[in-house]
Amino acid sequence: DTGVSQDPRHKITKRGQNVTFRCDPISEHNRLYWYRQTLGQGPEFLTYFQNEAQLEKSRLLSDRFSAERPKGSFSTLEIQRTEQGDSAMYLCASSRTADYEQYFGPGTRLTVT
Amino acid sequence: SQKIEQNSEALNIQEGKTATLTCNYTNYSPAYLQWYRQDPGRGPVFLLLIRENEKEKRKERLKVTFDTTLKQSLFHITASQPADSATYLCALMKTSYDKVIFGPGTSLSVIP
Repeated sequence: DTGVSQDPRHKITKRGQNVTFRCDPISEHNRLYWYRQTLGQGPEFLTYFQNEAQLEKSRLLSDRFSAERPKGSFSTLEIQRTEQGDSAMYLCASSRTADYEQYFGPGTRLTVT
Repeated sequence: SQKIEQNSEALNIQEGKTATLTCNYTNYSPAYLQWYRQDPGRGPVFLLLIRENEKEKRKERLKVTFDTTLKQSLFHITASQPADSATYLCALMKTSYDKVIFGPGTSLSVIP
């Protein structure tokens, strides 16, 4: 399977714990995006990378959220001190530079209890 | 602030009919507008892109229009089938280097 993969697919954590998600994009894609989606809503932009450079981060994203893409390959999204409001589906997508079509992974569903 | 609206209610149509979904936006001037399909529990899948200088785009049973004066896009599925049942998302980009902003989606059910 050469699509976008995400790990884990599901994560249940207790409030206050830290969690980290991983995304492996399609190998030749320079761009990588992170989104958050709650029930009945469209994906909400969090951040995106061009190779290893983080080009933009949503103003809605608190300092508890951080993302990295070392060496321009896979990416990690970390949420520190999780809150119940962080419960959502976290989606990763990748694309070629200046190629508009984004390829999405299956998502990581986070439940904070 | 930027706002994207799609059909507020779920759309139920009879198999074989044409489904028409609406995307309206305010406080935004996108150069590109995309439509994605999303099935429950899965990531969105790209369907079509239309540029601001294009009025209409077709792909098989799909047709998209883009009216930058009305700030609206219409998405049509002709000869709809139960397999077309899904949520359809409208997404906007200012430039090819910009982030993508998604609308809330419209749930479509095609009834046999």
